[in-house]
Amino acid sequence: EAQVTQNPRYLITVTGKKLTVTCSQNMNHEYMSWYRQDPGLGLRQIYYSMNVEVTDKGDVPEGYKVSRKEKRNFPLILESPSPNQTSLYFCASSPLKGNEQFFGPGTRLTVL
Amino acid sequence: LAKTTQPISMDSYEGQEVNITCSHNNIATNDYITWYQQFPSQGPRFIIQGYKTKVTNEVASLFIPADRKSSTLSLPRVSLSDTAVYYCLDVEYGNKLVFGAGTILRVKS
Repeated sequence: EAQVTQNPRYLITVTGKKLTVTCSQNMNHEYMSWYRQDPGLGLRQIYYSMNVEVTDKGDVPEGYKVSRKEKRNFPLILESPSPNQTSLYFCASSPLKGNEQFFGPGTRLTVL
Repeated sequence: LAKTTQPISMDSYEGQEVNITCSHNNIATNDYITWYQQFPSQGPRFIIQGYKTKVTNEVASLFIPADRKSSTLSLPRVSLSDTAVYYCLDVEYGNKLVFGAGTILRVKS
């Protein structure tokens, strides 16, 4: 089944404790992206990747890192999480930039 | 100017046609405008995509004028199950994807 998977689905952590949210797609898509969703603000792009080893900042990249060592995986790294990063995070992939995106199920992160 | 804007909410009744308009103030010249639907506790789901003029699929139509500064999603004969949040999305200069803040559509019986 074609899908985007994210792990974990739920995470509660404390300020400053490094964490990684994994994202994987099995559709051989070139474009991958991370979004955060907050009430009243919709989805905002954090980082995106046009292809392997090519990543770039979206609208809200501060406090996040990503890597794209393989085509299928695009992990989101929070080196030192802070409470303002409490949010719902979505990973998405598409064949190319601007094509239909397929979204993962979301990761709800709470930073205390 | 805010980059991509749309109404916060809309109410409709079953069987009516619903039109949701989005303003694209910073859209790149060569990429699609896309609309997504989102239900609670789920990721957004693709509805329709277009570049110019009108596109229609089995669930919606999309109207984009020649200047591409706006787009209108049209949902014919909505039902209760169309109650959801609808997002427009465009590609801005620099390859960034920018969503609007979303329109909450409430369909009543």
